Amino acid sequence: KQEVTQIPAALSVPEGENLVLNCSFTDSAIYNLQWFRQDPGKGLTSLLLIQSSQREQTSGRLNASLDKSSGRSTLYIAASQPGDSATYLCAVRQSYNTDKLIFGTGTRLQVFP
Amino acid sequence: NAGVMQNPRHLVRRRGQEARLRCSPMKGHSHVYWYRQLPEEGLKFMVYLQKENIIDESGMPKERFSAEFPKEGPSILRIQQVVRGDSAAYFCASSPEDQGAGTEAFFGQGTRLTVV
Repeated sequence: KQEVTQIPAALSVPEGENLVLNCSFTDSAIYNLQWFRQDPGKGLTSLLLIQSSQREQTSGRLNASLDKSSGRSTLYIAASQPGDSATYLCAVRQSYNTDKLIFGTGTRLQVFP
Repeated sequence: NAGVMQNPRHLVRRRGQEARLRCSPMKGHSHVYWYRQLPEEGLKFMVYLQKENIIDESGMPKERFSAEFPKEGPSILRIQQVVRGDSAAYFCASSPEDQGAGTEAFFGQGTRLTVV
């Protein structure tokens, strides 16, 4: 059974710091991995999708890496800003059974000025 | 191209009433997924539907919950005889027919159900 874990559960940093959020999964048979952002009381915004054959994806100040064999992904946020404050979720899509996403419990990030 | 549309955004029901949550997928998407997020918990898969078919309902509670995705119209998640423990945010996601490794899931804003 696939389990997804995110560390740390919460993070509070001053503006300008570079951050690394971690995601680990127990079953490497995945199609892809997505990183999402969730603001309080809001929906999920897709940030990056990494296919199983890829090693990393970049979008602006965000960079996500994937090491499928070791069951790990990291989300790197450069030069953090207060507007980055949100909960960050990673989710894996299995390559068998059905195409549902299995989510981690998230990292709650606060960036203070 | 509008995103995934869910309504209502907020829904209040008394114990024992029925709740109906609607989801219109993105244009061109034929796959719909429902997830539930309980307070202070992660998102949990409930059900996966294609037009007129339930593909995977392994995450649905055995009683009181049902889902459909008719040929015409939105997908509906129905909860009968709601109880306080059903209070949660319910999210719908959609994806296109191609389910390869590049397929991305897009989420709606969610329906926040409160049972009083």
